[in-house]
Amino acid sequence: KAGVTQTPRYLIKTRGQQVTLSCSPISGHRSVSWYQQTPGQGLQFLFEYFSETQRNKGNFPGRFSGRQFSNSRSEMNVSTLELGDSALYLCASSRPDDRGLNEKLFFGSGTQLSVL
Amino acid sequence: DAKTTQPNSMESNEEEPVHLPCNHSTISGTDYIHWYRQLPSQGPEYVIHGLTSNVNNRMASLAIAEDRKSSTLILHRATLRDAAVYYCILRDPLQGAQKLVFGQGTRLTINP
Repeated sequence: KAGVTQTPRYLIKTRGQQVTLSCSPISGHRSVSWYQQTPGQGLQFLFEYFSETQRNKGNFPGRFSGRQFSNSRSEMNVSTLELGDSALYLCASSRPDDRGLNEKLFFGSGTQLSVL
Repeated sequence: DAKTTQPNSMESNEEEPVHLPCNHSTISGTDYIHWYRQLPSQGPEYVIHGLTSNVNNRMASLAIAEDRKSSTLILHRATLRDAAVYYCILRDPLQGAQKLVFGQGTRLTINP
């Protein structure tokens, strides 16, 4: 069974540009979430999607947005890039356990974004 | 979100048991204790979770204190592949299915 796939693996952009990152969840998983990881702030939750609807959002500016498609694949977009957006962006997917609680999250290997 | 406290780093030897502590004195009655680990150049990986009773799986054991204010992740026989950052996370399943609040974790070094 294929794991969570994130593309591209590495990305270099310049300030002011925008970027779109892609995530394909494990087959059958309908929940997708995104995290940002930096050396200074660690892992921080960005947002979560379930059945094409955003159902939770972290404390990030509106430049960070996302969406989920009917096949559960997800994209996140960052507009007007800043130097501080340089980070590893991780996607995770899950499906509810028998009680709909405590899903195990399965993470991809991430997209390393460098903003110059 | 309830917080956890972990040592910044720990070191152990290959084939020896490793006990990774986590303090969570403000844990609420509905919080589950989850552990994830992150190997170099990879995303976090689920290890184990529990509520009140000790838990075992093929990767590790989770020992939870009776008052639930602390827990210990036990790797019974560490290998070099267990070198990673280990995160102890409190998770209320009613507060957002996929939102995990990661702390700084414990960086585990395994010596050959």
